Amino acid sequence: NAGVTQTPKFRVLKTGQSMTLLCAQDMNHEYMYWYRQDPGMGLRLIHYSVGEGTTAKGEVPDGYNVSRLKKQNFLLGLESAAPSQTSVYFCASTNRRDTQYFGPGTRLTVL
Amino acid sequence: GQQVMQIPQYQHVQEGEDFTTYCNSSTTLSNIQWYKQRPGGHPVFLIQLVKSGEVKKQKRLTFQFGEAKKNSSLHITATQTTDVGTYFCAGGKYGQNFVFGPGTRLSVLP
Repeated sequence: NAGVTQTPKFRVLKTGQSMTLLCAQDMNHEYMYWYRQDPGMGLRLIHYSVGEGTTAKGEVPDGYNVSRLKKQNFLLGLESAAPSQTSVYFCASTNRRDTQYFGPGTRLTVL
Repeated sequence: GQQVMQIPQYQHVQEGEDFTTYCNSSTTLSNIQWYKQRPGGHPVFLIQLVKSGEVKKQKRLTFQFGEAKKNSSLHITATQTTDVGTYFCAGGKYGQNFVFGPGTRLSVLP
């Protein structure tokens, strides 16, 4: 039982490049979330999903897109990366908006 | 929108001293969760409080939910170096996503 996994763990992009972050969970959770964590600002919700095929905007969705084609996977895309998107990205999953289980994170630097 | 604040932002203590972090919401909550994040790690769930005035203990950790369900506190008795990390509260309201506070970073000097 791996829990929540994220790939990649680290990535460096140049401004304007695109990339996709993958989150996978093996706990059959309905809800999945993408957060970004910046120093002194805690965890801010980017997008979330309440089930396969559904997505919704969170607090800071601009510049990001998501897809939930399979229940176990939640993808976060950056179409044109900007330095302001340098951050640590965490994926989390849960059932019934209960205890959230977080992945190990992806550290992204945009130059 | 809902805002969740935490104080202090940082706390340095000597090993063996007590530590308390406070969480305050701008609106009444249905429940509150606490998470711990070790340096370089990811947030890990500690506990959830649901009832007004609720107090829960986990070994040296005591969690409290305010009577008005707008604030909460986490108290650690006799800190140890293993307590180092950032403690986050997350305020929940029915049908809505949890909102995380900015966290309190605890350092423990041996």
